[in-house]
Amino acid sequence: ILNVEQSPQSLHVQEGDSTNFTCSFPSSNFYALHWYRWETAKSPEALFVMTLNGDEKKKGRISATLNTKEGYSYLYIKGSQPEDSATYLCALSGNTPLVFGKGTRLSVIA
Amino acid sequence: ETGVTQTPRHLVMGMTNKKSLKCEQHLGHNAMYWYKQSAKKPLELMFVYSLEERVENNSVPSRFSPECPNSSHLFLHLHTLQPEDSALYLCASSQDWSGGWGTGELFFGEGSRLTVL
Repeated sequence: ILNVEQSPQSLHVQEGDSTNFTCSFPSSNFYALHWYRWETAKSPEALFVMTLNGDEKKKGRISATLNTKEGYSYLYIKGSQPEDSATYLCALSGNTPLVFGKGTRLSVIA
Repeated sequence: ETGVTQTPRHLVMGMTNKKSLKCEQHLGHNAMYWYKQSAKKPLELMFVYSLEERVENNSVPSRFSPECPNSSHLFLHLHTLQPEDSALYLCASSQDWSGGWGTGELFFGEGSRLTVL
């Protein structure tokens, strides 16, 4: 069974601060790494899908990197805003359907 | 209008009740999923349907019974549930089912919050 670990479990930052969190996964049987953003009382929405070692993706102030050899991905948020408050999920696809981590819950304090 | 709609949003039921959760997707996708989100646990895949055929069943107790009458609709029939089944049930869809070996994103509904008394 694939195990996807996310850290930290929760995070509080001040508005304007930059922050990052980690997704760790077994590097064998890897096919793709997904990041989802889940705001309270809404549906999870896809942010990025990455497949290649060294991949970097960016959407506005949010970016992600991927290291498949060592089995981790970082999500970065530059200049956090209150609307960035959400749970960020990573998920792994490979020889099983998407396996999700428990998420990192980000709270941005104005 | 969201692409994936779930009803009801909240459901409270007794252990002897029979109820159903409904999911409808307006995206023209071929695969639909049921996920369970329990407190302090990751999203757990329950069932996958591809072109109305069940392709994945993750050792889910038989008190949960899925139904996919067409590619746009997915149901989860509930009967004789236990209090530990209380959770958020999320429906999702994707363009196609690739058995996990894919990069297609999932499109989620907002979930049905189930409480079993």
